[in-house]
Order: sequence, then C-alpha cells, then structure tokens
Amino acid sequence: GQQLNQSPQSMFIQEGEDVSMNCTSSSIFNTWLWYKQDPGEGPVLLIALYKAGELTSNGRLTAQFGITRKDSFLNISASIPSDVGIYFCAGQGGGTASKLTFGTGTRLQVTL
Amino acid sequence: DVKVTQSSRYLVKRTGEKVFLECVQDMDHENMFWYRQDPGLGLRLIYFSYDVKMKEKGDIPEGYSVSREKKERFSLILESASTNQTSMYLCASRHPGQGLSPLHFGNGTRLTVT
Repeated sequence: GQQLNQSPQSMFIQEGEDVSMNCTSSSIFNTWLWYKQDPGEGPVLLIALYKAGELTSNGRLTAQFGITRKDSFLNISASIPSDVGIYFCAGQGGGTASKLTFGTGTRLQVTL
Repeated sequence: DVKVTQSSRYLVKRTGEKVFLECVQDMDHENMFWYRQDPGLGLRLIYFSYDVKMKEKGDIPEGYSVSREKKERFSLILESASTNQTSMYLCASRHPGQGLSPLHFGNGTRLTVT
C-alpha cells in the first residue's frame, strides 16, 4: 500500500524555537490532515486542509496544502514542552473516501 | 466526546496463539478501522469496516482477520500470532455522514509476541 514520506523523522529542539515538518506523496490527495500523538495515547486531529494552496492556522500551528496536491507542511511556532509527541500527516483521496493514508511520522522532542 | 476504547493496553502472547484485540466506540459510528503503528513506518491500515457485518482489506491484511457483528464493536483477530506481529495496534472510528469527519482513535494496544 501507498505511504507518505514525512520528514524529518525526528527532531530535538529547544523551547521557544519554531518547528517545520513536511509530507510528500507520489499521488494527488483531495484532503490533507495533520495528527498529533501524545505518549501513550492515540493520534488526535490538529488541522484539516481541503483545498490546494489552503493555509490554515490553529493557535501556534500553521499548515498548508501544496499547490500540486502532493505535499503539505506543518509549522509550530514558539515550541513548548507539551508539543512533544509524534506528528503524522495523512492524505485522503477521492476514491474510497473514508480511507486515509498516513505518513511515517515526525517525533518531536523539546528541551528546556 | 467520542470515546473509542481498546480492551487491553498491553498484551503478551506466544507464537502460534490466537489473539483477539477488541475495540468499542460509543458514538454510533458506521466506519471502524484497525491500524498498526511501527517506528519509521507510521500507521498502516490492516482492515476497515463501513458498517455492521461489512469488512474490507486495508494495505496489510495478511495474517489478520476481523469481525463486526455489532455496530459499536470491531475485533481484530490474529489467527496464529507471529513475532513480526509485535506492534502497537490502533483502532479508530468515524461517521461518514458528517462529510470529512475526523478519525477518532483509541489509546492503542501494545502487543508483544514471543
């Protein structure tokens, strides 16, 4: 099955720094989603993007749906310790509408 | 709030055992999903179900089967557990009628096969 390439795989940053991660695919998606998984829990939706070129913010988070519909990025500004976790992108195509393809994940660790 | 409950947080089983992973959701969602999560591979879809008694293979169904006898419950079955099935298993549900409603995940079952 298809997977999305997500980078970086992991990152250590200092509190207060900005973070950027991205996701690329060989296929076109109609929707891009970003999830966060806290340690010991299931992933939770952060941001959903529905149109090519769309830029959406949720607090300190900003995500963009790439113009080609084959990529997306997520930025976190002024990171704080509770940003620690694994971030997943997910793409949803137009075929089996309920089926998502997930990225490989970016593990974020924030040091004080 | 939607609650997706996985019956076990941790399981240790022996090679060859038949293993049942149970998932229950309390929001009358039609769609339910089983994923496995492995480092560096992200979440991979094993099986999903659009509604009661319906099931479809995901991307990695080999070695697994599922059961959806009631709307709220979706079971993942490892017919004969093998060490390469050691992983974190995540169940999720969603209601398809709400447009692009998000997946709601359980907290996962970490399965170790020895």
